[in-house]
Amino acid sequence: EAGVAQSPRYKIIEKRQSVAFWCNPISGHATLYWYQQILGQGPKLLIQFQNNGVVDDSQLPKDRFSAERLKGVDSTLKIQPAKLEDSAVYLCASSLVRGSSYNEQFFGPGTRLTVL
Amino acid sequence: KNEVEQSPQNLTAQEGEFITINCSYSVGISALHWLQQHPGGGIVSLFMLSSGKKKHGRLIATINIQEKHSSLHITASHPRDSAVYICAVKVVVRGSQGNLIFGKGTKLSVKP
Repeated sequence: EAGVAQSPRYKIIEKRQSVAFWCNPISGHATLYWYQQILGQGPKLLIQFQNNGVVDDSQLPKDRFSAERLKGVDSTLKIQPAKLEDSAVYLCASSLVRGSSYNEQFFGPGTRLTVL
Repeated sequence: KNEVEQSPQNLTAQEGEFITINCSYSVGISALHWLQQHPGGGIVSLFMLSSGKKKHGRLIATINIQEKHSSLHITASHPRDSAVYICAVKVVVRGSQGNLIFGKGTKLSVKP
């Protein structure tokens, strides 16, 4: 079974530029998560989708970050404009069913963003 | 104080040593995950447990719900075990399933 796919794997941009990340979850997984992991810290949830609806985006900096999952499958996360402090690994994860207490999350390889 | 605390932050071991990484949490949980993250960022789920003990190869994970504590053990450690090990808990939140709260990770280096 294919895992969670993400692209690109690495991205270097200058501050104030825009960037977009793409995630393809495991087939059939209804729930999709975007995490931001700053060096030396654990991942922080940015946004959670259930199918194509947003479940939790309380920690998403909405002035510059946006995410969508239009058809309930692939998702894109965009930063516009980027700041130096956005340098991090952006992880996408998916899980089968939100309602289960034991729905394990499967993580993608991440996109390492460097903002210069 | 973080809701999930891991110790140690960094750990260097010689090949073959028995390794223990600890995780303590302060919230009610429905499950606890141990995750492995190699350089480059990708995360692999090692264990998900809600009680007792699980074993997979040289890895053993235990959890004590009453003490809100979990340990990850690696027997006969090998340089390929070098990675960051992250503890994450699935929080019980009334009216919803809650999300994962992550520890900061333990960076393990196993020297040949």
